[in-house]
Amino acid sequence: TQLLEQSPQFLSIQEGENLTVYCNSSSVFSSLQWYRQEPGEGPVLLVTVVTGGEVKKLKRLTFQFGDARKDSSLHITAAQPGDTGLYLCRGIAGNQFYFGTGTSLTVIP
Amino acid sequence: DVKVTQSSRYLVKRTGEKVFLECVQDMDHENMFWYRQDPGLGLRLIYFSYDVKMKEKGDIPEGYSVSREKKERFSLILESASTNQTSMYLCASKQGGSYQPQHFGDGTRLSIL
Repeated sequence: TQLLEQSPQFLSIQEGENLTVYCNSSSVFSSLQWYRQEPGEGPVLLVTVVTGGEVKKLKRLTFQFGDARKDSSLHITAAQPGDTGLYLCRGIAGNQFYFGTGTSLTVIP
Repeated sequence: DVKVTQSSRYLVKRTGEKVFLECVQDMDHENMFWYRQDPGLGLRLIYFSYDVKMKEKGDIPEGYSVSREKKERFSLILESASTNQTSMYLCASKQGGSYQPQHFGDGTRLSIL
């Protein structure tokens, strides 16, 4: 069983559209990270959220940690082809950590 | 910048062979990890190591072993490769501390025929 479920699993959108990716769990995490993996490369950290309800912005990307620290969302405004990649969330609980199932995003020019 | 280097980008081996995947990091990180990545399953942890000569089983250690003789190098070993071990293998390293990010290599795409 997967501790962290991401949705949608696949997403294909036109350049300029907005989108939201979700990372959900029934477990509480002390922090949550989002990574992006571009084709042919390893995942790279985008952001870490620590506090319940926290919102962080990274240019056109907005990350939110749920109030109960069980879920998170990633919202992209005006998507660009360079946003194409696999988005992974990673939940951290003490010495345990879990990766989500991933969302594969394709932005079509 | 942290550099995590995996020895091969693509590897093709035969069933029953002993396969070695090598990973080297250059930032003196204590922690190193081996994952496999399969569509729809995300990243699954095979083994990790908190220090030289230390290893811990992850979620799916069966059929694998690891070696960490030096701090910078973490090797994944498939003792007798099987077709269900065809996958993308990713190595990562990180400093101590829960919030520290994992730094990944570019992966080794392994095919077992």
